[in-house]
Amino acid sequence: DSGVTQTPKHLITATGQRVTLRCSPRSGDLSVYWYQQSLDQGLQFLIQYYNGEERAKGNILERFSAQQFPDLHSELNLSSLELGDSALYFCASSVDPSNQPQHFGDGTRLSIL
Amino acid sequence: DQQVKQNSPSLSVQEGRISILNCDYTNSMFDYFLWYKKYPAEGPTFLISISSIKDKNEDGRFTVFLNKSAKHLSLHIAPSQPGDSAVYFCAASGGGYNTNAGKSTFGDGTTLTVKP
Repeated sequence: DSGVTQTPKHLITATGQRVTLRCSPRSGDLSVYWYQQSLDQGLQFLIQYYNGEERAKGNILERFSAQQFPDLHSELNLSSLELGDSALYFCASSVDPSNQPQHFGDGTRLSIL
Repeated sequence: DQQVKQNSPSLSVQEGRISILNCDYTNSMFDYFLWYKKYPAEGPTFLISISSIKDKNEDGRFTVFLNKSAKHLSLHIAPSQPGDSAVYFCAASGGGYNTNAGKSTFGDGTTLTVKP
């Protein structure tokens, strides 16, 4: 158990809809990361937060947004969903944003019908 | 442009033999490299890391080698066990506390199968 909790585990929705994925980081971790893993591909870095502030951005679409709340949990909002957004979305956390291992949740599987 | 590449999608080895997983990178700003292991229906789990100031790091059966001039790293698992069967991801990040720190770039993974 990594200590990182992601909800929901599975989400099925339709094109054009909006969803929110939630992540609770490991206790004591201030930095949260979001990744997207499409079928048989590597993890694509989306965005990083540190203590409530956006720290780094990767290949995150404009239709996607995220935030980290004062209690350090984070939410990833995906809107105007398209079929290609179907993927596994992972959240990870670390103590701070320096080079160090990240602890991953088990992911949210998003299926767009 | 894929900055971290794992050119072998899969690898199969016999139990007790050595498994060697390879990873190449293109960005010379990367200075910290990690290997993660992933089982189905679970998130990646950190395995071992190496800083660019070193060329080798060992942890039990796992050893990571870094060749900076070739921009290549490898993970050796010896001896391999059936429980090591998983997808292995190589990741790279850079720069201490600057904006690249923690922003890991992942390879596409190598599926290792260890046969009993």
